[in-house]
Parts: sequence; structure tokens; C-alpha cells
Amino acid sequence: KNEVEQSPQNLTAQEGEFITINCSYSVGISALHWLQQHPGGGIVSLFMLSSGKKKHGRLIATINIQEKHSSLHITASHPRDSAVYICAVGPNYGGSQGNLIFGKGTKLSVKP
Amino acid sequence: ETGVTQSPTHLIKTRGQQVTLRCSSQSGHNTVSWYQQALGQGPQFIFQYYREEENGRGNFPPRFSGLQFPNYSSELNVNALELDDSALYLCASREGAYNSPLHFGNGTRLTVT
Repeated sequence: KNEVEQSPQNLTAQEGEFITINCSYSVGISALHWLQQHPGGGIVSLFMLSSGKKKHGRLIATINIQEKHSSLHITASHPRDSAVYICAVGPNYGGSQGNLIFGKGTKLSVKP
Repeated sequence: ETGVTQSPTHLIKTRGQQVTLRCSSQSGHNTVSWYQQALGQGPQFIFQYYREEENGRGNFPPRFSGLQFPNYSSELNVNALELDDSALYLCASREGAYNSPLHFGNGTRLTVT
């Protein structure tokens, strides 16, 4: 079993829909990252959080440390949101500096 | 802020050869980490450098090595290339050693034939 699991693996939505991507992890963490990867490979960091909730524009990320679960929400989705969304966690066990454990990503396609 | 740049963008090598990939971090970012992303998979951590010393390493063999320079640039070197080394290689920089936002480059696509 992977230490970071994302669901769904693939998601197709109509423009304007509310989207939720889920991430569950099995290790103790110091922080969780949500990343966006466009075709061609470049990755953009969307959020880094260790508790609660963060909002940036139409994007909202939440984390529940006790349940080891995080969600990324996109409100009023748009075709330009089409990308792969990756959840990554920074484990808090010793010797883990810099080590991020990544999920396999959720491929989102938003249709006009 | 100039962002993180990687070179080259694409590279084709033959099995057994050696390769050097380069990354130029954002000014002031004294930590750089490298990741390998196979097709259809999430990235995997290779190693991290902080102030020019390796301070974290993932499950990669010693033929994967690196350097970090005082001018915020770094290198990933891979010796004795194998077919399975074909992947997208990403570098990311951050301020401090850990737990600060990461800034990724666009990656180098390495193909080993």
C-alpha cells in the first residue's frame, strides 16, 4: 500500500463545477503540499499546510491531521484548471530532511 | 525573483553513459532537492542539498550523485545509465532546510536508449 493515496485517479468535469480531490496518508507528517503539474512537466506549488485550511482564489485546501486526510477543492472550475494535481507529504521521522512522499496524482480535465 | 531553471530540457543518452543535469535555484534559496518522475507516476525523492552538503537521500543507488554551488546552482550526476533511468528529473528549491514552500523547475526529460 502506498504511503500517500489520492482519489480519484482521473476526473472529468464541466466548466463551472465544484471539484474535490482527496489525499490520504499513512505516515506522521510535518507538512502536506498540493502541487499542480501541467503537460510538459513543470510543477507549481499550490499550498503547503500542516493544519486547518488555506484559500487562494478559487482553490481551497484543508487538512485533518487526526484522520490523516487532506482535500483540495476547486470552485467554479475552468478549462485552464485542467492539469495533474499531486499531493505530497513531508514525513516527520528522523533523517527525512527534504524527503517528500508523493501521491500518483489526479488528472483533472475540465470541459467547456 | 528569477524562478528555478533546469537545463537541458530534453536529453537522449545511451545505456552505460554518464549524464549531468543542471538546476539554477532562486536567489536566496539555500536548499535544493532533486526528484525522479517516471511516466505516469508521482515524483520520487532522490536527495537534498543544504548549504552545499547533502542532508537527505531517498532510495537511490550511489551512481546518483549531486553537487550544490554557492551561487545557488546545483547538479545531478548519474553514472552508468540504465534504461530505467529514463524519466523526468525535477529540481526544487526552498528557503531553509525544510518546511517552506517549494519552487520547482520545469524538469529535464532524460531518455536512455
